[in-house]
Amino acid sequence: KAGVTQTPRYLIKTRGQQVTLSCSPISGHRSVSWYQQTPGQGLQFLFEYFSETQRNKGNFPGRFSGRQFSNSRSEMNVSTLELGDSALYLCASSSGVSTYEQYFGPGTRLTVT
Amino acid sequence: DAKTTQPPSMDCAEGRAANLPCNHSTISGNEYVYWYRQIHSQGPQYIIHGLKNNETNEMASLIITEDRKSSTLILPHATLRDTAVYYCIVRVTGNQFYFGTGTSLTVIP
Repeated sequence: KAGVTQTPRYLIKTRGQQVTLSCSPISGHRSVSWYQQTPGQGLQFLFEYFSETQRNKGNFPGRFSGRQFSNSRSEMNVSTLELGDSALYLCASSSGVSTYEQYFGPGTRLTVT
Repeated sequence: DAKTTQPPSMDCAEGRAANLPCNHSTISGNEYVYWYRQIHSQGPQYIIHGLKNNETNEMASLIITEDRKSSTLILPHATLRDTAVYYCIVRVTGNQFYFGTGTSLTVIP
């Protein structure tokens, strides 16, 4: 099976802009979760989508949003970018119905200048 | 929320067993313990998970205490490629994992 893919791998944006990141889960997986990783805060959960519905949400401002399509692919959007949004954004897929074993993609490295 | 406590760093000689401890004293009865590792700048990699019984797979063994308040991940024969940050995780809800700060394992030649 192909693994989790994320595009783009690297991105540079300017403060105030918005950005959209994409994640394609493992075939057959219906759950996609998003995480933000920074040196100071570590890995933090953003949200999870399952069958096109947001199932769980972490403690992030409303500037962070996401969606999931009928083919389970997911996008995450960050509006009005701030310098502190510079991070590695990871997506993870799982079947979402058993023990929630997650498989992570390589991440998108976002730099906000 | 169930949280985990791990030592920040550990060293292990190549070829020896690496034993990584984790405390999760507030874990609920139906919560699984998961272990992941992250090699620099890559996405975390699933290693193993368990509920009550000890588990073993091709990568590692997981020993969970009877009271479930702590666990140990064992890499039986550590190699240089096992150098990574190891996360002991309990699930908060659904697929919301609390990763904590992890243990940085350095395998020494």
